[in-house]
Parts: sequence; C-alpha cells; structure tokens
Amino acid sequence: DGGITQSPKYLFRKEGQNVTLSCEQNLNHDAMYWYRQDPGQGLRLIYYSQIVNDFQKGDIAEGYSVSREKKESFPLTVTSAQKNPTAFYLCASGLAQGYHMGYTFGSGTRLTVV
Amino acid sequence: AQTVTQSQPEMSVQEAETVTLSCTYDTSESNYYLFWYKQPPSRQMILVIRQEAYKQQNATENRFSVNFQKAAKSFSLKISDSQLGDTAMYFCAFMIIQGAQKLVFGQGTRLTINP
Repeated sequence: DGGITQSPKYLFRKEGQNVTLSCEQNLNHDAMYWYRQDPGQGLRLIYYSQIVNDFQKGDIAEGYSVSREKKESFPLTVTSAQKNPTAFYLCASGLAQGYHMGYTFGSGTRLTVV
Repeated sequence: AQTVTQSQPEMSVQEAETVTLSCTYDTSESNYYLFWYKQPPSRQMILVIRQEAYKQQNATENRFSVNFQKAAKSFSLKISDSQLGDTAMYFCAFMIIQGAQKLVFGQGTRLTINP
C-alpha cells in the first residue's frame, strides 16, 4: 500500500542536541512538506520541497534543516538552535502541480525536550 | 499572505445532531482550493472534503457538506447526523493553485460528539 511513514513515533531530545526526524513516501509524489503542530496554533509550515535537491523555507524555518537527496525521502533535523522544539511534527506529500487532491500526511512524530 | 481563521476553538453537540464549523480566509487570489481535514485522537490527518474555488456548486461527501461563499471568503463545514466517531480536531485549509501549492491551515476547532 502507498503511504507516508514517519519515524520515530516518539523522540526525546536533550538540551543542545540535534535530532533527525524521518519521512519516507512511496506515493511517487514530487512535493513534500514538514509542519509543526502546537496546541491552539494549527499547523505551521517549516520547510517544503517540490523537487529533488531543492527545498524552500516555510514560515518557521529557524532552527531546522532539511535535505532532499531522494524523491522518496525528506528528513527534518531539529538543531540546537531551535529553542522550543517540543511539538508534534507532521510530514506530508502531494503533487507539485496540476489537479490537487490535497496532501497525504504521515502519522507524526512527537518530539519532547528532556 | 493568505490567512485562515476558525473562530470556534471548541464545539460540542449530541449524537445525531447537525453541526456547522466556521472558516473564513483572506486572499487576493482567484484560483485556489479549500479543504477540511479531520484529526482524531490518533492525530492522523484525514481529508474530509475539498472545494475548488472556480466551482459554484458546494462539495458534499456523504454526511459532510460545505457552504462555500466566495465573495464573503467563507467556507463552513456541515456535519449531518453526527456520530461519536466524528469527535476530532477539524482544520480548515487553503491552497493557491499556482506556485508552490502550500497548504495554509486555520487554528482548528475541537469538536466533541456526546452520546
């Protein structure tokens, strides 16, 4: 079955540590997205990529980095520069152009600073 | 910049009742999509319904329908014969057809269906 897989489901980060969240899709979608979800604030866009080896900052990119070396994969690194990383992170994929049915979302990663 | 506003942080209704969730958006674009997503306690985002702005006819999907008022920039979701499984966060979202096709989300409405 086609879909998006995010791992791990839960992640704990110590102060000053970088952590990487994985996102893999087998839907043959060109575009991939990372969102952060905090209570009462909906989903906010961190980074997005419409094609391999290219990505753009979203609304809250500071303290995060991404790569897009393969069409199927779009990992997100939460760096030590992100001062408040505790949140729920959602990865999504979709068509880069044309008739759009919305995104397909992964099941999310809950990141907690300890 | 596009913005999406959901003015009802929480709503609660009895099972089998009809409930309407409000959404307004702000854009200068004329070609766009609008979506409602559902996020149950599992936190999986599920597409509920989709509307193309150039279509005047309101979208429907079984018990779910929308009232799309383009001039008013309003996009409300009506859930008929509500069921316990409808309990979830509901997000309204907006996407411009041209360009990066980024989804912009509202803050969400937490809907509880009571038995």
